[in-house]
Amino acid sequence: KAGVTQTPRYLIKTRGQQVTLSCSPISGHRSVSWYQQTPGQGLQFLFEYFSETQRNKGNFPGRFSGRQFSNSRSEMNVSTLELGDSALYLCASFTGTPGLNTEAFFGQGTRLTVV
Amino acid sequence: AQSVTQLDSQVPVFEEAPVELRCNYSSSVSVYLFWYVQYPNQGLQLLLKYLSGSTLVESINGFEAEFNKSQTSFHLRKPSVHISDTAEYFCAVSDSYNQGGKLIFGQGTELSVKP
Repeated sequence: KAGVTQTPRYLIKTRGQQVTLSCSPISGHRSVSWYQQTPGQGLQFLFEYFSETQRNKGNFPGRFSGRQFSNSRSEMNVSTLELGDSALYLCASFTGTPGLNTEAFFGQGTRLTVV
Repeated sequence: AQSVTQLDSQVPVFEEAPVELRCNYSSSVSVYLFWYVQYPNQGLQLLLKYLSGSTLVESINGFEAEFNKSQTSFHLRKPSVHISDTAEYFCAVSDSYNQGGKLIFGQGTELSVKP
């Protein structure tokens, strides 16, 4: 069974640009969450999607957005990139459905560098 | 709001020695607790979880953690570590409503096992 796939693995962007990151969950998983990992702030929750609906959102500015498609694949977008957006972005997909026991499976992440 | 505190940012230990990585959480609601491990340039892997039932949970590679509700702790222990256990370990909490969909992480503990 294939794991969570995140593309691309590495990305370099310039300040002011925008970026889209992709996450393909494990087959059959309908929940996806996104996290930002930085040395200073650690792992911070960005948002969670279930069946194309955003269930939860973390404390990030509106430049960070996401969506989920009918096939459960998810994308997150960051507009007007800032140097501080440089981070490892991790996607997790979940077994079960909200309200039942779930377990998170993480992808290897996308390393975004803003220059 | 929920929060997780990992009391040690770095733990150096010699091979075959016991180790304890400490985790305390703060939450006003019923919680689920997790330990994840991250190897360099990798995503997170679930080590063990507490959802309900027995307060002592074990992983397949010799780690165990005990949920202590009165002390709001979920410390991770291993009686004898190996070089291969060198990694960063993250404690995480989610409330029972979100069922793991929104994880709040501690800052991480870097475990360094020396020969």
